[in-house]
Parts: sequence; C-alpha cells; structure tokens
Amino acid sequence: QQQVKQSPQSLIVQKGGISIINCAYENTAFDYFPWYQQFPGKGPALLIAIRPDVSEKKEGRFTISFNKSAKQFSLHIMDSQPGDSATYFCAASTGANNLFFGTGTRLTVIP
Amino acid sequence: GAVVSQHPSRVICKSGTSVKIECRSLDFQATTMFWYRQFPKQSLMLMATSNEGSKATYEQGVEKDKFLINHASLTLSTLTVTSAHPEDSSFYICSAILAGGDRGTQYFGPGTRLLVL
Repeated sequence: QQQVKQSPQSLIVQKGGISIINCAYENTAFDYFPWYQQFPGKGPALLIAIRPDVSEKKEGRFTISFNKSAKQFSLHIMDSQPGDSATYFCAASTGANNLFFGTGTRLTVIP
Repeated sequence: GAVVSQHPSRVICKSGTSVKIECRSLDFQATTMFWYRQFPKQSLMLMATSNEGSKATYEQGVEKDKFLINHASLTLSTLTVTSAHPEDSSFYICSAILAGGDRGTQYFGPGTRLLVL
C-alpha cells in the first residue's frame, strides 16, 4: 500500500516556468513532510520540509503548499532552471516512524 | 554539517561473492541508520533500520541472512550482501539521523551502485 501518492510521474517545463508536483497521504498521524531532490547516480538531498502547523513554506525558488484538510501537499519550483532537472520525491513521517516516500517525479527543464 | 558518506561508490562483483558497503556519518553521531534499495527510475525501498549496538530491524520481505547489517559504532554501519546474485544489482543508499533526532529528518549518503555479473 502506497502511503504517499505522488504525481505526475514526469514533468517537462520550459526554463523560467513553474514546476508543480503534488502529493497526497492518508495517515493523519504524519507530522513531517520533506521533499528530496535526487540527481542521477546520487543519493537524495533534503530540499525543503514542512510541518502541518503552517500552510506554506518558502525557501528561495522552492515553496511547499500544505492543505491539511485535503491531506495534500505540493512543491512549487518558481523560475525553473535546467539545473533543476532531477527526480523529486515527497515523503511523510511521524517522529517515531520511518519516512514513507512517494514514487518520484522526473523533472526536465528545457532551456 | 550532517554529511553521510558511503564506500565504495560503485562495485562490480562476480555472482556468489559477498560485498560490503560502508556508511559513515562524518560530522555527527548517528544512533540510527537506514538502508534503502533503489531500482532504476523507482522510489527508495527501505530494507532495514540499523541501531548502534543492537540487531537491525528488517522490513518485510528482506532476507536478514542475505543482507547482513552491522552498526558497530555511532558513526559506522555496514551492509554486507552475501552470496550476491545478478538480481541483487541495484543502487544501495544509507541514511542517518542525528542522535536524539526524529526519523523524519534523515541525511542520505551518495549511494553505492552494485553490479553483480
């Protein structure tokens, strides 16, 4: 059973555009929602994370929007750049439990 | 800070041999480390949780006798793939959490690419 559902599977965006990746979860006990960026042949790197007490968190060009009632959260990449081309994973956890990863979104930013 | 290293980054071995992969937390102590496996274009699959000084906890479907995990110190965990076969070829990634930290905040290593011929 996939604890965290992620879409789309792949995404192509023009340079300068906005990339949007969506995730949904069922377990209301989750209280930590990180996003990871992974380049080919590398381990995932923490990009940005949010806790459910806020609806939005912004760090540079990256923004997480969180909708607790809908049990959904999304990553927005503003002014997308070719260097942002990577696979993005959303995840969820509670403090005591392991991370549950989404299935990943392969982002390609076209120059 | 919070850097995790893995060694080797890439290994090719013959079928039937054993391969050891090291995971180190370079600038922090990690009472808990995790081992993941990732197939091409797929998500990370948790294999086991490694606790310093105690036996690892394996996820359902992961053979503990095939994937031996040792967490001998607060900065080192090892994964040994015993009698490796071609189907064990994969990308193995470890992660660590700060001592006293929660399991959500994991720092990942760069991964080890295993190819079994």
